Amino acid sequence: KAGVTQTPRYLIKTRGQQVTLSCSPISGHRSVSWYQQTPGQGLQFLFEYFSETQRNKGNFPGRFSGRQFSNSRSEMNVSTLELGDSALYLCASSLVQTGTLDEQYFGPGTRLTVT
Amino acid sequence: AQSVTQLGSHVSVSEGALVLLRCNYSSSVPPYLFWYVQYPNQGLQLLLKYTTGATLVKGINGFEAEFKKSETSFHLTKPSAHMSDAAEYFCAVNTDKLIFGTGTRLQVFP
Repeated sequence: KAGVTQTPRYLIKTRGQQVTLSCSPISGHRSVSWYQQTPGQGLQFLFEYFSETQRNKGNFPGRFSGRQFSNSRSEMNVSTLELGDSALYLCASSLVQTGTLDEQYFGPGTRLTVT
Repeated sequence: AQSVTQLGSHVSVSEGALVLLRCNYSSSVPPYLFWYVQYPNQGLQLLLKYTTGATLVKGINGFEAEFKKSETSFHLTKPSAHMSDAAEYFCAVNTDKLIFGTGTRLQVFP
């Protein structure tokens, strides 16, 4: 069974631009969560989508948004990029929504660099 | 709000020595606890997860964790470290989202 895939793996953008990251969950998984990882703030939850609905959102500005498609694939978008948005963005999928013992499976991440 | 605290941002051991990575949780109910490992330039891989009613949980790569409700701890151990264990380890609690500890970087010296 294929794991969680994220595209692209690496991205370099300029301040003020916008970016879209993509995540394909494990087949059959309906929940997709996004996390931002930085050396200073560690791993922080961005949002979770379950059956195309945003179920939960972390403490990030509205520039960060996401969506989920009917095939459970998910995208996240960051508009008006800032230098501080440079991070590793991780996507994770699980069978059911978070808040259970069902584990989340992580993709390799997208390394975003904002210059 | 539930959270986890990892004591020690860096731990160094010799190959063959015991590995002990500490995690304490704050929760008034049995928590959903996990340990993940992250190798350089990779995503997170699940090592093990707490199972309700169990005190000792076995995971992959020879790791195990002991759940102690009285100490609100879920420390990760491995009897004998291997060079390939060098990585960053995260304890996490699953509420309506995964909340991670700050991570512990494990170095293994030959």
